[in-house]
Amino acid sequence: QTVVIQEPSSSVSPGGTVTLTCGLSSGSVSTGNYPSWYQQTPGQTPRMLIYNTNTRSSGVPDRFSGSILGTKAALTITGAQAEDDSDFYCVLFLGSATWQFGGGTKLTVL
Amino acid sequence: EVQLVESGGGLVQPGGSLRLSCAASGITFSSWWMTWVRQAPGKGLEWVANINPDGSTKHYADSVKGRFTISRDNAKDSVTLQMSSLRADDTAVYYCATSFDYAFDMRGQGTMVTVSS
Repeated sequence: QTVVIQEPSSSVSPGGTVTLTCGLSSGSVSTGNYPSWYQQTPGQTPRMLIYNTNTRSSGVPDRFSGSILGTKAALTITGAQAEDDSDFYCVLFLGSATWQFGGGTKLTVL
Repeated sequence: EVQLVESGGGLVQPGGSLRLSCAASGITFSSWWMTWVRQAPGKGLEWVANINPDGSTKHYADSVKGRFTISRDNAKDSVTLQMSSLRADDTAVYYCATSFDYAFDMRGQGTMVTVSS
């Protein structure tokens, strides 16, 4: 069974740039997996940041961008801010009417 | 502004049933795919089920197939998740979401389901 894989943790300095990735245990991620990204702070509802690989959701700051980097989907934060300290999840469409979230990346801004 | 209000969660014994509802406002509900996503305590997100705008197409995660049923009432702008044969690993916060471009826009606070004896 295919598993969606994210880094468990990552860190970035305030003002810095960080890239989080979302891969597959078998095969490459493509635009046909329609990757989307979500941010969640403790106790809050996940907020959609990016959909369809690289389209920012309404109201999302332009420091967040999505792409395909090599064999993975990627979320890049350029000019990280303290409030970006949170959990980030990706979800991929795996075909056959199935979606799967990655395990999430805990981002620390320090 | 889109609003989604989930309700119906609570404590239920293993093997029991529960019916979750999600009331939508601020959208033309009958035009949207709707999805349920859940999150077990301290864990990540899991796609559960979705339904197309007219209710004729439904998809389920393997973990809930045969036990959960998603449905909708476009006259009442609501989507429902009927859950049966509940297990401890169904314990989670359940979010409903509007769906587009294979993504999920979760706007509510979720409803907590606890399966325990």
